[in-house]
Amino acid sequence: SQQGEEDPQALSIQEGENATMNCSYKTSINNLQWYRQNSGRGLVHLILIRSNEREKHSGRLRVTLDTSKKSSSLLITASRAADTASYFCATDLIQGAQKLVFGQGTRLTINP
Amino acid sequence: SQTIHQWPATLVQPVGSPLSLECTVEGTSNPNLYWYRQAAGRGLQLLFYSVGIGQISSEVPQNLSASRPQDRQFILSSKKLLLSDSGFYLCACRQGYNSPLHFGNGTRLTVT
Repeated sequence: SQQGEEDPQALSIQEGENATMNCSYKTSINNLQWYRQNSGRGLVHLILIRSNEREKHSGRLRVTLDTSKKSSSLLITASRAADTASYFCATDLIQGAQKLVFGQGTRLTINP
Repeated sequence: SQTIHQWPATLVQPVGSPLSLECTVEGTSNPNLYWYRQAAGRGLQLLFYSVGIGQISSEVPQNLSASRPQDRQFILSSKKLLLSDSGFYLCACRQGYNSPLHFGNGTRLTVT
């Protein structure tokens, strides 16, 4: 079964609003990563947050990690139409032997 | 920076035919290499990963196989394709644990 599960599966908001996506996982991790995928393309890395970090920022992106709840959130502020994409979380397991396990993703649509 | 080359971009193959997808990496040495498959509208399923030449770990034991004949070359193969092998195949690399994945642009395989 998948290690990570994103919530919601799909999200549609107006341009300028903030978008929040959540990721839950099951087993202990070394780090958690967020990726973006435009339709029909490869994934692009956004942010990596280590298990001993609680929050990380990159431009309009803010990621939080709560290891006690085994969950993470990705916040995109002041959304733009170009942010329309699928967003995935991925976990590097402590016992993961170099493999990175992805969730099912959140499909984000920004309406102009 | 690392660049992943995958080809072809699209492929249509009949059931029972063989498959060979190639991935090459530029801009790094001794990377970890990965093959993922993505069904339409779904998350990424890890198929194989490799931490060195000739070292292959399999996550999905179906009718697919992988090989790493050179440090920066990763090949996905099948002797006889099934309809269920259709999907979007993505090659990725990274420089070990606690680092992000870099993805190629993928190969969309349709088995007819």
